[in-house]
Amino acid sequence: EPEVTQTPSHQVTQMGQEVILRCVPISNHLYFYWYRQILGQKVEFLVSFYNNEISEKSEIFDDQFSVERPDGSNFTLKIRSTKLEDSAMYFCASSRLGGTGRESPLHFGNGTRLTVT
Amino acid sequence: QKEVEQDPGPLSVPEGAIVSLNCTYSNSAFQYFMWYRQYSRKGPELLMYTYSSGNKEDGRFTAQVDKSSKYISLFIRDSQPSDSATYLCAMTIAMDSSYKLIFGSGTRLLVRP
Repeated sequence: EPEVTQTPSHQVTQMGQEVILRCVPISNHLYFYWYRQILGQKVEFLVSFYNNEISEKSEIFDDQFSVERPDGSNFTLKIRSTKLEDSAMYFCASSRLGGTGRESPLHFGNGTRLTVT
Repeated sequence: QKEVEQDPGPLSVPEGAIVSLNCTYSNSAFQYFMWYRQYSRKGPELLMYTYSSGNKEDGRFTAQVDKSSKYISLFIRDSQPSDSATYLCAMTIAMDSSYKLIFGSGTRLLVRP
C-alpha cells in the first residue's frame, strides 16, 4: 500500500539554526499538509498546500515557517530560525482530494522528531 | 470549552474485551469524523471515517456518530494486545479549498494478554 514517507526520522538542531523537514507524499495525491505534535499534546494543523501554493495556514505557521514543493515528488517544511518551543513531532500528510474530505481522508507519514537544543 | 474532548486514559482491558472509546465535540460545523490509531513514535493511521449519524462497521471496529448529541464512539470487539496504542478521534472542518483535521488529545489503550 502506498505511504507517505518522511526524512529524517529524528533531527537535532541548535536554537537559531535552520532546518528542512522532507516528505514524499503518496504519488497521486494532490493536497499536502503539515501537522505538529508537541510531546504530550494534541496533533495540530500547521498548513495545507495545493497547486504549488499555501491554501490555508494556522496561527502557529508564522514567518519562520515555509513550505515548498521543489520537484514533482518532495514536499518540504523549513523552519528558518528554530526556537526551543519548535521541538515536536512534525507529520506530513497527503490526500487525493481536498474539499470536505469525503472519500479522501488524510494519510500521515511517521513523522520527524525535531529536537531543538 | 475545547472543540474536541477525549478522555486521555490510559484504558486497560483484558484481551478479548469490548473497548469503547469516545469523543465529544462542540462545533456543529464539523462534517466528517475519523478515528486514527497511533503507535508509539509512529504517525496516525486511519482506522475509520464516517459522515452521517449512525454506525459504520469494519471488521472488529465499529464507529458510531450521534450528531444531535455531538458524540462519537469507536468500539473494538475481541480486543487484542496488538490493539494497544493511542486512539485519536478527529473531525474535519472545511476551509476555502481544503480541509483540516481537529484532533482529540487521544486515549491510550492497553490490552493485557
